[in-house]
Amino acid sequence: GESVGLHLPTLSVQEGDNSIINCAYSNSASDYFIWYKQESGKGPQFIIDIRSNMDKRQGQRVTVLLNKTVKHLSLQIAATQPGDSAVYFCAENTGSARQLTFGSGTQLTVLP
Amino acid sequence: DADVTQTPRNRITKTGKRIMLECSQTKGHDRMYWYRQDPGLGLRLIYYSFDVKDINKGEISDGYSVSRQAQAKFSLSLESAIPNQTALYFCATSDLHRQETQYFGPGTRLLVL
Repeated sequence: GESVGLHLPTLSVQEGDNSIINCAYSNSASDYFIWYKQESGKGPQFIIDIRSNMDKRQGQRVTVLLNKTVKHLSLQIAATQPGDSAVYFCAENTGSARQLTFGSGTQLTVLP
Repeated sequence: DADVTQTPRNRITKTGKRIMLECSQTKGHDRMYWYRQDPGLGLRLIYYSFDVKDINKGEISDGYSVSRQAQAKFSLSLESAIPNQTALYFCATSDLHRQETQYFGPGTRLLVL
């Protein structure tokens, strides 16, 4: 079956720098995408979502970009802070049951 | 998210034992889900429920069963636990009108010896 995947399993950035986490998807029928943050010992926490009729969506310090041509999704975090250190998952929603398919995650580490 | 709670948070059991993991939510959501997370992998869907008494199999339902007797509660059972069911288990909920956005509980860490 089709699945969501991530380009890099780990990412280290300096505090204050911007972070970019990438995600590739292969199901062209997917029409909704969501980013989750998972801190150690906790459940995934909703960050931001985007529908396929949009190319960009901004939240507080976060921006999600969707490129449907190359089936690519990215999460940009501005002015990365130590509290941003976590695993970040992208997920896509498709099918009649509207289920989420998760990628394997990227570990973001913020260096002092 | 404190609106979705799971009990127990940690559990150690032996091969062959039957165990139950509980999930409760105060969000008033109709839909509830059980996922499993293994190291280095994303979440995989075990079962989901769109309403009381409604049960649907997910990607990896073998060896598991669920019960949805009330809107706020969704329990997951391992009929006869085996070591490869050692994992982190998450419950999630979503609202009928915004069903794609799921809210997760804190997880239950299960070790099967």
